[in-house]
Amino acid sequence: DARVTQTPRHKVTEMGQEVTMRCQPILGHNTVFWYRQTMMQGLELLAYFRNRAPLDDSGMPKDRFSAEMPDATLATLKIQPSEPRDSAVYFCASGLNIGGGVYEQYFGPGTRLTVT
Amino acid sequence: AQSVAQPEDQVNVAEGNPLTVKCTYSVSGNPYLFWYVQYPNRGLQFLLKYITGDNLVKGSYGFEAEFNKSQTSFHLKKPSALVSDSALYFCAVRDVFQTGANNLFFGTGTRLTVIP
Repeated sequence: DARVTQTPRHKVTEMGQEVTMRCQPILGHNTVFWYRQTMMQGLELLAYFRNRAPLDDSGMPKDRFSAEMPDATLATLKIQPSEPRDSAVYFCASGLNIGGGVYEQYFGPGTRLTVT
Repeated sequence: AQSVAQPEDQVNVAEGNPLTVKCTYSVSGNPYLFWYVQYPNRGLQFLLKYITGDNLVKGSYGFEAEFNKSQTSFHLKKPSALVSDSALYFCAVRDVFQTGANNLFFGTGTRLTVIP
C-alpha cells in the first residue's frame, strides 16, 4: 500500500531556529506539492515540483522558506529562521498524472509545527 | 481565474440520514473536480473526481457527487450517514484549459458532524 511519508510528525521549536521537514513521495509519482494548513487561512499551496524541478513557489515566503528535491525519493521544506506565525500543519502530496496535465494528489500525514 | 466555494463551514446530520456537502466552482473553461476528506490529525484522502463523462460520480466509502454544469456545482452526497463520516471535507477544482501549473484550487473545507 503505497503512501506518502513525512517526518517529523510533530516539531516544537523556538523562534529563530531552523526547521527542516521531509517528505518521501510515492514511488513513480513525478510531482510533489507542499501545502500549509492553518485555521485562519485553510489550505495554502506553498510550492510544487515536477521531475524534481521547482515549477511554482509563489506561495512561499522566499526570505525564509526554501523547498528542494535532492532526489526523486526526497523532498524537503526548510524554514530559516522560523517565526511563531509559521506554526501550522505542513502537508506534502505526491501527484499521479491522470491526463490533461491534471494530477490526482495523495497527501502525507503532515508535520505539525509549533514555533514558540 | 478559477476558484471554488464551500458555502457551509459546518454541516450536522443525524446518523442514517442522507448528507450533502455543497461545492460551487468558477473556471474559465471546463472543470476537473475533486473531493477530499481529512480525518483528525491526518492528511487529506482522495474521495472521488469528475473529469468527463457521467455527471454522477461514485467514490470511496459510499460517497457520490453530481456535476451540474448549469449550476456550476459539484455537491458531495451520501444516502445514509455514518458517525465515522465525521471529518473535514474539501472540494478542489482545476480548469481544463489551465496551462503550466498543475495544482488544484481547494475550498476552505466543510466540517461534517454526524450525530449518533
